[in-house]
Amino acid sequence: QQKVQQSPESLTVSEGAMASLNCTFSDGTSNNFRWYRQHSAKGLEVLVSIFSDGEKEEGRFTAHLNRANLHVSLHIREPQPSDSAVYLCAVSMNSNYNVLYFGSGTKLTVEP
Amino acid sequence: GPKVLQIPSHQIIDMGQMVTLNCDPVSNHLYFYWYKQILGQQMEFLVNFYNGKVMEKSKLFKDQFSVERPDGSYFTLKIQPTALEDSAVYFCASSFRDRGPGNQAPLFGEGTRLSVL
Repeated sequence: QQKVQQSPESLTVSEGAMASLNCTFSDGTSNNFRWYRQHSAKGLEVLVSIFSDGEKEEGRFTAHLNRANLHVSLHIREPQPSDSAVYLCAVSMNSNYNVLYFGSGTKLTVEP
Repeated sequence: GPKVLQIPSHQIIDMGQMVTLNCDPVSNHLYFYWYKQILGQQMEFLVNFYNGKVMEKSKLFKDQFSVERPDGSYFTLKIQPTALEDSAVYFCASSFRDRGPGNQAPLFGEGTRLSVL
């Protein structure tokens, strides 16, 4: 069974400072990686999807994937207080794209 | 942008009763999903549905659970009978396709909080 773990559990950064979030996964056949965020009592907003090793940028959000190290990260450039939310890493495998395995999330707080 | 709508946002029900959670997916989407999130825990896959059929389900998708989307209307999750451990937030998601280069990320609704008393 795929295990997805995120670190840190919580992160506080100052407005404008780079925020970096980590995600490790256990199944080396994984090939779809998504970062979502969830504001309190709201739905999930997809931020960036990445499917091959390297980097993928969507606005201020950049994902880095290193499948050999079973690691995917999210970097948020110039975070704003409105970026405060829980960030979720979601992984799916080649055998079934439909099933997303989620990490437990990183709670990001951006202080003015 | 397109949104997945879930109705109601909160449902309180007595143990043993039936409950139906409704999801209005994005209009041109073809794949539909339910996920369950118990308070403080990870979101977990329950089931996905395509072309009128369950494609895949997890061990969390108990016999008391069923899904359908009659005539392209709401995509529903029915629990009959409910149990205390069914208390959770249930998220519906939909996507246009499920695979291929750059396949689209499922869009999620805001969830229905189910409280079983």
